[in-house]
Amino acid sequence: KNQVEQSPQSLIILEGKNCTLQCNYTVSPFSNLRWYKQDTGRGPVSLTIMTFSENTKSNGRYTATLDADTKQSSLHITASQLSDSASYICVVSSTSSGGSYIPTFGRGTSLIVHP
Amino acid sequence: DAGITQSPRHKVTETGTPVTLRCHQTENHRYMYWYRQDPGHGLRLIHYSYGVKDTDKGEVSDGYSVSRSKTEDFLLTLESATSSQTSVYFCATTGVLYGYTFGSGTRLTVV
Repeated sequence: KNQVEQSPQSLIILEGKNCTLQCNYTVSPFSNLRWYKQDTGRGPVSLTIMTFSENTKSNGRYTATLDADTKQSSLHITASQLSDSASYICVVSSTSSGGSYIPTFGRGTSLIVHP
Repeated sequence: DAGITQSPRHKVTETGTPVTLRCHQTENHRYMYWYRQDPGHGLRLIHYSYGVKDTDKGEVSDGYSVSRSKTEDFLLTLESATSSQTSVYFCATTGVLYGYTFGSGTRLTVV
């Protein structure tokens, strides 16, 4: 069964500090991995997408890494801001025989940034 | 997010009543999805559609039905609402380049 595990479940940091969120997956066949940010009361919004051949992808202060051998990904947030307070969801997709993308969602890491 | 609208945004209904949630997209995407999100479970797939009148079940489809008569509209119906269906429901579409685009969600409370 395809699974995506995220850690930690929740994290509290001070504004300006860096943090790293982890995602381990057992999804096969692997197609791509995405990180989403979900603000309270809103739908998830894509931050990064990585395919098998990509190791690092940045989006402003967000940097995602992928190790396809160990099936691990991390999301690093630099110089955190209050607006970074949100849930961060790791989504790993496989490709069906019909060509559709089948996503497996992690349960998310809840990040709280304190002033 | 631009391109997907869900309605209503909030709804309170009584146990045993039918409820229909609507998802409308303007991106002409083939695939559309309905998810529910509950604390401790993350997003779980209810049903999805891969074209007009083409739908399939997800992992938590019991008690739900869907219809897609037009590319742009995907309806989710709770046949007879139960308290266990109190949740936040998200519609999503998918494009190869941009991944999943989610709507803003519908908060449903069954009392």
